[in-house]
Amino acid sequence: NAGVTQTPKFQVLKTGQSMTLQCAQDMNHEYMSWYRQDPGMGLRLIHYSVGAGITDQGEVPNGYNVSRSTTEDFPLRLLSAAPSQTSVYFCASSRLARGNGNTIYFGEGSWLTVV
Amino acid sequence: RKEVEQDPGPFNVPEGATVAFNCTYSNSASQSFFWYRQDCRKEPKLLMSVYSSGNEDGRFTAQLNRASQYISLLIRDSKLSDSATYLCVVLPTPSGGYNKLIFGAGTRLAVHP
Repeated sequence: NAGVTQTPKFQVLKTGQSMTLQCAQDMNHEYMSWYRQDPGMGLRLIHYSVGAGITDQGEVPNGYNVSRSTTEDFPLRLLSAAPSQTSVYFCASSRLARGNGNTIYFGEGSWLTVV
Repeated sequence: RKEVEQDPGPFNVPEGATVAFNCTYSNSASQSFFWYRQDCRKEPKLLMSVYSSGNEDGRFTAQLNRASQYISLLIRDSKLSDSATYLCVVLPTPSGGYNKLIFGAGTRLAVHP
């Protein structure tokens, strides 16, 4: 049972570099999303998708791009890394319909440091 | 004012103690409420949903107070393994999807022998 898989787990970037955080889920979930978690703050939504080919912005989308070419994969791209993007990133997925015991499942997180 | 507020703690309690956390929310129209547990350097995981009439799951009891706009989590007979951060999560709109979830910053619990 893989669930939601994120890679890499740890990454150090230099300011201005670009990189992609990978996220894959094997539960055939329609909904996928990316959050960042910073000290003293709740998880904040970066981007989300309700199905292949459909993406939308969350609360803090600036500096990030996403695409959803398949149901399984939802990569997050940092275009030009900045120290303010130092954070822990979580990918999450779920069925679209809430209720009936459905919940949101998180990947194990990616720790990103931008120097 | 933050949409979802929690006391960050830490709450340091001995094994066997009863401990309670509160979480306040600002949007009176909020419909769905959850408690998530997050272990150190791990992902959040759903602990329990919070129902209007209150609900219990073993040693854990969740309650909702709509008039005062807060939810609570009570843990009885604390175990060392309960040490974690507890996140309050609110869905502020009746028809909102998961993209509308609002996460509190969490309350840290440390249970000691």
